[in-house]
Amino acid sequence: GENVEQHPSTLSVQEGDSAVIKCTYSDSASNYFPWYKQELGKRPQLIIDIRSNVGEKKDQRIAVTLNKTAKHFSLHITETQPEDSAVYFCAASMVDSGGGADGLTFGKGTHLIIQP
Amino acid sequence: NAGVTQTPKFQVLKTGQSMTLQCAQDMNHEYMSWYRQDPGMGLRLIHYSVGAGITDQGEVPNGYNVSRSTTEDFPLRLLSAAPSQTSVYFCASSNLRRIRRTAVYGYTFGSGTRLTVV
Repeated sequence: GENVEQHPSTLSVQEGDSAVIKCTYSDSASNYFPWYKQELGKRPQLIIDIRSNVGEKKDQRIAVTLNKTAKHFSLHITETQPEDSAVYFCAASMVDSGGGADGLTFGKGTHLIIQP
Repeated sequence: NAGVTQTPKFQVLKTGQSMTLQCAQDMNHEYMSWYRQDPGMGLRLIHYSVGAGITDQGEVPNGYNVSRSTTEDFPLRLLSAAPSQTSVYFCASSNLRRIRRTAVYGYTFGSGTRLTVV
């Protein structure tokens, strides 16, 4: 089955600086890679995702890049703000053209701390 | 439109007891799944379903049963609770049909059930 590794487990950055979280996956059949943000005591919420036919996707201060050859993808947050403090999870899944899909395999999470 | 509703929010069980965690969605999503979240372990897939009458095992299915008799409901049953099943459980759903027309395939998570087995 799929295995997703996520690094680092904890990341502390100064407010206004950029943060980068990296993930690798093992199954070359995986073609869908979402990122979730989870605040303390709350449910995970999708913040951005990317399909394997795209190399990069941006949404305001966040971006995701994908390297299919190396089987890794990264989350980039620019101009970090206090409200960015949370646990971030990457995930991978195989979605087929018929609309079928297996479950998401998640990384173990990165605790992002924004220092004032 | 309530999204994904999980009940109960909190539960304490004694070892050996059985119970059912409820999950219901009102978005007509075909795909539903159960995850457990443990400190330092991320979210691990227990069981999932791609439609009514169809279920499949995830990464950690032992000790849990599921059924999908309707599109809306996907209950998770603990047959004989063990302390190792102490965790936060999340139900999540998604609309598979959107895959063909859009890149968005986001899961909607329920608010979670915090289960303690003593």
